[in-house]
Amino acid sequence: DTEVTQTPKHLVMGMTNKKSLKCEQHMGHRAMYWYKQKAKKPPELMFVYSYEKLSINESVPSRFSPECPNSSLLNLHLHALQPEDSALYLCASSQVGEVNIQYFGAGTRLSVL
Amino acid sequence: AQSVAQPEDQVNVAEGNPLTVKCTYSVSGNPYLFWYVQYPNRGLQFLLKYITGDNLVKGSYGFEAEFNKSQTSFHLKKPSALVSDSALYFCAVRDDRGYQKVTFGIGTKLQVIP
Repeated sequence: DTEVTQTPKHLVMGMTNKKSLKCEQHMGHRAMYWYKQKAKKPPELMFVYSYEKLSINESVPSRFSPECPNSSLLNLHLHALQPEDSALYLCASSQVGEVNIQYFGAGTRLSVL
Repeated sequence: AQSVAQPEDQVNVAEGNPLTVKCTYSVSGNPYLFWYVQYPNRGLQFLLKYITGDNLVKGSYGFEAEFNKSQTSFHLKKPSALVSDSALYFCAVRDDRGYQKVTFGIGTKLQVIP
């Protein structure tokens, strides 16, 4: 099983809403990632968890709050987002170590109104 | 700092012809290089990687890439393009010290014309 599952596939939210994105993998990977991808742009790294601990935060605004409750799950909590936060949010996972091929989910397409 | 350049926004090739998607990179240490493909409304799929060893790397779906250290390039190639190869291709790099942070290029759209 090389699948990373992201839910929901699409999300529309207002600027005052609170919502969460979910990511799940059962490949035994201990590194998990959140990326943001705008149209016609490359994925931009947001957060990295290694062994369920936050290891990289790419200066992401606090309205994005990641959580890794266990080795299979990764959440991204959203609050008070701005319209410019509308994007495709991708989750990925990998082994921890030198040759870390990342496996990506299909993403959550987020629209902030 | 590490960076990737993909100089072509789009590459058009006729079905059955060879294709090349270009990538150059910049890293402080030794490079680890990757190619990923993204189909519409999908996440990225790994194609191939270069870590060390042979400069010609073979990957999924008949793709291969050639590592050239002197030109700091890692071009993606396929001898005979298929219409189903039409997608967005990303080159990515990290150095041999920062295993968690991979930097992606801007992507090249490959259009294979029947």
